[in-house]
Amino acid sequence: GAVVSQHPSRVICKSGTSVKIECRSLDFQATTMFWYRQFPKQSLMLMATSNEGSKATYEQGVEKDKFLINHASLTLSTLTVTSAHPEDSSFYICSAIDGYSGNTIYFGEGSWLTVV
Amino acid sequence: GQQVMQIPQYQHVQEGEDFTTYCNSSTTLSNIQWYKQRPGGHPVFLIQLVKSGEVKKQKRLTFQFGEAKKNSSLHITATQTTDVGTYFCAGPVQAGTALIFGKGTTLSVSS
Repeated sequence: GAVVSQHPSRVICKSGTSVKIECRSLDFQATTMFWYRQFPKQSLMLMATSNEGSKATYEQGVEKDKFLINHASLTLSTLTVTSAHPEDSSFYICSAIDGYSGNTIYFGEGSWLTVV
Repeated sequence: GQQVMQIPQYQHVQEGEDFTTYCNSSTTLSNIQWYKQRPGGHPVFLIQLVKSGEVKKQKRLTFQFGEAKKNSSLHITATQTTDVGTYFCAGPVQAGTALIFGKGTTLSVSS
């Protein structure tokens, strides 16, 4: 079946640095991908909707200059957390829509970010 | 905007007891999905309900979608320790749009 791969699964970075998380659809073309963030013991919160070839649409309260999203191809979207701070430590997870199979949504396995 | 409420937030049961979590959306959903997340893991897709009044079963799990397509429930019969985790409902307002997640119900089971 369709698979969405996310990399890295875990990353530790120093405060003030930037870190990039990749989300790839492995066997289908994803015109739309979504990025979520989950803090410990909380639900998944939608951060942004990423459409191939266009600018991402960010949810209210999400800083677009801090969380840079690029969806350069039909199989890859990236989330870059710029100038990371400890409060950005969270679980980031992407999902992708397979528009050719009835808009089925597939989730990646998530990326744990720890900023020290 | 659309909100998805889920209750209870936490539920502890003895092994063998039943468990139910309820999900309510502020708007009509094109479909509703249920996910299970184990501690330290990522959400795993369980099922999707599309039709009004739909009921689906997966072994000891029974999923229902309300007639108005605004509420749903997940019922587990005779819980086991392997059922431990957080169960999330999620739904898009329209097919092809982002899923909005409920806050989840965390189930703990003691043997």
